[in-house]
Amino acid sequence: EVQLVESGGGLVQPGGSLRLSCAASGFTFSTYWMNWVRQAPGKGLEWVANIKEDGSEKYYVDSVKGRFTISRDNAKRSLYLQMNSLRAEDTAVYYCARGWTSAFDMWGQGTMVTVSS
Amino acid sequence: QSALTQPASVSGSPGQSITISCTGTTSDVGGYNYVSWYQQHPGKAPKLVIYGVSNRPSGVSNRFSGSKSGNTASLTISGLQAEDEADYYCSSYTSNSTPWVFGGGTKLTVL
Repeated sequence: EVQLVESGGGLVQPGGSLRLSCAASGFTFSTYWMNWVRQAPGKGLEWVANIKEDGSEKYYVDSVKGRFTISRDNAKRSLYLQMNSLRAEDTAVYYCARGWTSAFDMWGQGTMVTVSS
Repeated sequence: QSALTQPASVSGSPGQSITISCTGTTSDVGGYNYVSWYQQHPGKAPKLVIYGVSNRPSGVSNRFSGSKSGNTASLTISGLQAEDEADYYCSSYTSNSTPWVFGGGTKLTVL
């Protein structure tokens, strides 16, 4: 079955860190750009970051630059998002999404990150 | 404020057609044919329904269609069905510092 499964979300204090993971199965992970997209409670979608097939290019939304790092391990078919210096405004469901033909064609079920004291 | 502008809500009766607009600039919607649309039911992950302005992924109903004119893209759903009630988001590639942007989302109500 073709799927993406996120994990690693939870409750963290402001200024803290969290590492999200996304496990891919059912497709050749190493041949796709991968993305993280988040959705704050009751709000719309926000693209966060993406990474090229071989990890050589990475891009971020301005609000997370210098705090978040996207990475991947093609041997483990996994995508990661290291989140440091977390803020209340980072509270959201984080989805990993596969990049395909300039769109996001596969999405995981999401993992909730709550930043609160 | 989202980079792409969508109406907050639209509604229609079963069997009717509705159109959702997505307005950007020449740096995004108007400059590239990389507009996509997503359907999201409450508590669920988004689902791709249109890519490349007007292309439907395999398995998506042909009741969904997309188009673009200038800086505005549109999603049209014909023959409305109760199951179409959901939130819809547009997205576009952009030449700005952030390469991908979404619209604020439109809530579709089937009356």
